[in-house]
Amino acid sequence: NAGVTQTPKFQVLKTGQSMTLQCAQDMNHEYMSWYRQDPGMGLRLIHYSVGAGITDQGEVPNGYNVSRSTTEDFPLRLLSAAPSQTSVYFCASSYSTQGASGYTFGSGTRLTVV
Amino acid sequence: DQQVKQNSPSLSVQEGRISILNCDYTNSMFDYFLWYKKYPAEGPTFLISISSIKDKNEDGRFTVFLNKSAKHLSLHIVPSQPGDSAVYFCAASGTGGGADGLTFGKGTHLIIQP
Repeated sequence: NAGVTQTPKFQVLKTGQSMTLQCAQDMNHEYMSWYRQDPGMGLRLIHYSVGAGITDQGEVPNGYNVSRSTTEDFPLRLLSAAPSQTSVYFCASSYSTQGASGYTFGSGTRLTVV
Repeated sequence: DQQVKQNSPSLSVQEGRISILNCDYTNSMFDYFLWYKKYPAEGPTFLISISSIKDKNEDGRFTVFLNKSAKHLSLHIVPSQPGDSAVYFCAASGTGGGADGLTFGKGTHLIIQP
């Protein structure tokens, strides 16, 4: 059981470039979400999805786009990368009735924008 | 404005003693509170949670206490072990069972001294 798989693990982008961070889960979880972690800031919610075809914005959505065409995949797109988007990105998934057990997180993607 | 606050960036505890990590929140609509543990270069892993209708939940060496009137929760680790050295995040989910993601504190770096 792979859990939540994020690719790539590391990425360097130039300002203005676009890219997609991949996230896939094999646990048939309904809920998925993306977070970024910056030094001293904890994890902040970017976008989330409660099921295929349904997405919504979190706390810091600007500059990011998401889609959820299948239950398994929840890619995060950076439309035009900026140095302020240098961060570690985590994808997470959960069952709909798992409020008590929380989310399962991927191992993260470390993104540097130069 | 931060809805979940962890006011101690770091905490040093001797091996075998009790570690107490604290968390405060401002949003009275939070339904579940969760603690995550994070090692460097890894994703957060779920540790323990508590429903807003409970005041205590215990799992082995880990106990979480919730004081709703004070909007305060704490994680007790007894006895502390070297492998407990990590960053601990307090998180909260809303009444949707976590559908709209989690709100995290900034984390406390726990260091267990031999």
